[in-house]
Amino acid sequence: EIVLTQSPGTLSLSPGERATLSCRASQSVSSSYLAWYQQKPGQAPRLLIYGASSRATGIPDRFSGSGSGTDFTLTISRLEPEDFAVYYCQQYGSSPLLTFGGGTKVEIK
Amino acid sequence: QVQLQESGPGLVKPSQTLSLTCTVSGGSISSGGYYWSWIRQHPGKGLEWIGYIYYSGSTYYNPSLKSRVTISVDTSKNQFSLKLSSVTAADTAVYYCARAYGPGLYWYFDLWGRGTLVTVSS
Repeated sequence: EIVLTQSPGTLSLSPGERATLSCRASQSVSSSYLAWYQQKPGQAPRLLIYGASSRATGIPDRFSGSGSGTDFTLTISRLEPEDFAVYYCQQYGSSPLLTFGGGTKVEIK
Repeated sequence: QVQLQESGPGLVKPSQTLSLTCTVSGGSISSGGYYWSWIRQHPGKGLEWIGYIYYSGSTYYNPSLKSRVTISVDTSKNQFSLKLSSVTAADTAVYYCARAYGPGLYWYFDLWGRGTLVTVSS
């Protein structure tokens, strides 16, 4: 069973700083099937990145994704106040077919 | 603009069956190319995929829940539904319905309902 481990669990940063979030898979994941989501309190997750590096419609270019194999990264180049949230990675294809990482909370320092 | 809306009881007794429906508006569930999914989130925790269904009726479930889950589709009503049997307090969660694009070149959930909290308690 594939496990996605996100680190750090919590990232304390100030607006304007750069955020680097990691998603590590226990087995190789196809880049095509790696996505990132943002979730704010009381809201449903929102798709940010698909195919490891493609931004979803309407997502600002300060969000970028990279990586391959077992190591993937979500980068927020300059944090805006609305970016403080929890971020999840998700993979499709490896047993149990579809899994999410445990999340990284980006909080205001 | 396609929207998803979950509906169903917010309180279910232990050992009973949790039943939720997701209504798709602004588009047809039969249009193809999408997989209609259920995902849950335990209070304060991460996301857990439950399963998905294609409009044709083919399904795939998370093996950890497979013995208790049934997902069905009603194309005439533009709805899909979740049944989770023999629930316990561990099934208390926010349940989301979501639309998944794939599995062609990519796989991702591009549209989500707002979620509905289901509490299992006597």
